[in-house]
Amino acid sequence: NAGVTQTPKFQVLKTGQSMTLQCAQDMNHEYMSWYRQDPGMGLRLIHYSVGAGITDQGEVPNGYNVSRSTTEDFPLRLLSAAPSQTSVYFCASRGLAGVSYNEQFFGPGTRLTVL
Amino acid sequence: QQQVKQSPQSLIVQKGGISIINCAYENTAFDYFPWYQQFPGKGPALLIAIRPDVSEKKEGRFTISFNKSAKQFSLHIMDSQPGDSATYFCAAKGQAGTALIFGKGTTLSVSS
Repeated sequence: NAGVTQTPKFQVLKTGQSMTLQCAQDMNHEYMSWYRQDPGMGLRLIHYSVGAGITDQGEVPNGYNVSRSTTEDFPLRLLSAAPSQTSVYFCASRGLAGVSYNEQFFGPGTRLTVL
Repeated sequence: QQQVKQSPQSLIVQKGGISIINCAYENTAFDYFPWYQQFPGKGPALLIAIRPDVSEKKEGRFTISFNKSAKQFSLHIMDSQPGDSATYFCAAKGQAGTALIFGKGTTLSVSS
């Protein structure tokens, strides 16, 4: 049971480039989400999904796209990278039913630098 | 609009002392209040959580105190150890499909 996995661990982009941050979970969790972590700002929600084919915006969605074609995968796409998107990105998942349905599990993070 | 306010931003405690971190929330629909612990270079991990039908929950050296009328909850770390040095986040959420909203975090340093 690998939990929540994220790739890559580190990435450097130039302004205007696009890329996809990968996230996968093997716990059959319905709920998945993306956060960004910046110094002094805590964890801010970018997008989330309550199941395959269903996504919604969080607090800071601009500049990011998501899709959820399977229960396991929830990729985050940067359309045209900007220096303001330099951050550490965390993917998380949790179940929506069951004994411990509230517990949210986080991946190890992707550290992104946009030059 | 920040829905969960956390204080202090940083905290230095001597080994063996008590660390206290406070959070306040606004949304009365929240019904789950976890604390997460994050070490440098790692993702946050659930430490302890409470529902609003109890006023206190204890797990080892970690205790959550919850005051529903004041819309406040706090984390107490008893007998703080250098290994507790980390960033702590409080959070809150409502019903099953809603997002987990985080405070801005507290960096705890326990000096030996």
